[in-house]
Amino acid sequence: DAKTTQPNSMESNEEEPVHLPCNHSTISGTDYIHWYRQLPSQGPEYVIHGLTSNVNNRMASLAIAEDRKSSTLILHRTTLRDAAVYYCILSIFTNAGKSTFGDGTTLTVKP
Amino acid sequence: ETGVTQSPTHLIKTRGQQVTLRCSSQSGHNTVSWYQQALGQGPQFIFQYYREEENGRGNFPPRFSGLQFPNYSSELNVNALELDDSALYLCASSSLRGASYNEQFFGPGTRLTVL
Repeated sequence: DAKTTQPNSMESNEEEPVHLPCNHSTISGTDYIHWYRQLPSQGPEYVIHGLTSNVNNRMASLAIAEDRKSSTLILHRTTLRDAAVYYCILSIFTNAGKSTFGDGTTLTVKP
Repeated sequence: ETGVTQSPTHLIKTRGQQVTLRCSSQSGHNTVSWYQQALGQGPQFIFQYYREEENGRGNFPPRFSGLQFPNYSSELNVNALELDDSALYLCASSSLRGASYNEQFFGPGTRLTVL
């Protein structure tokens, strides 16, 4: 799997947006970009994924750079429940089912 | 629709023993993946099963083995346990239709401690 690079930690204020970056300069043309998050004491949960175009769903938005070497997960209005470790993963599959996750970004949400 | 469940929740074993962990997939899912998550790290892919056959394997030795049953539930077996096997073991189910997977749903994990 191509490697991704994420900051170890980030902070946001409750009810404000947060942009979580991910660098993947060695991404191949067939790699999907997946984001999962893991709340404390739980298994990871799917957030969003995309290939080339920006994507929106009820949880978040995914902005993909034109050269696809980086992407940004956008949480539009963070709540305390969004405090979690966020993982950015590349996979040739439409899910991340055979991928090893990196160490992710720990998001702290301040009230 | 029930989610992914795993048993047991916690387990303590000693070095050299064998362990079996169990996973029940989400209803309608035909694929299960197993992951190992050491403390402070992200999940590492162990292997995936699709229709009872191994369908991909990560960088884990043969003493890690698995089974998937006709009802799509699954087992992870680890022989000759080592101290470094202490970790949270996660299973995730999904569906493979044609060449496309849907999203994975993870269970809460089994915390294995090897003494």
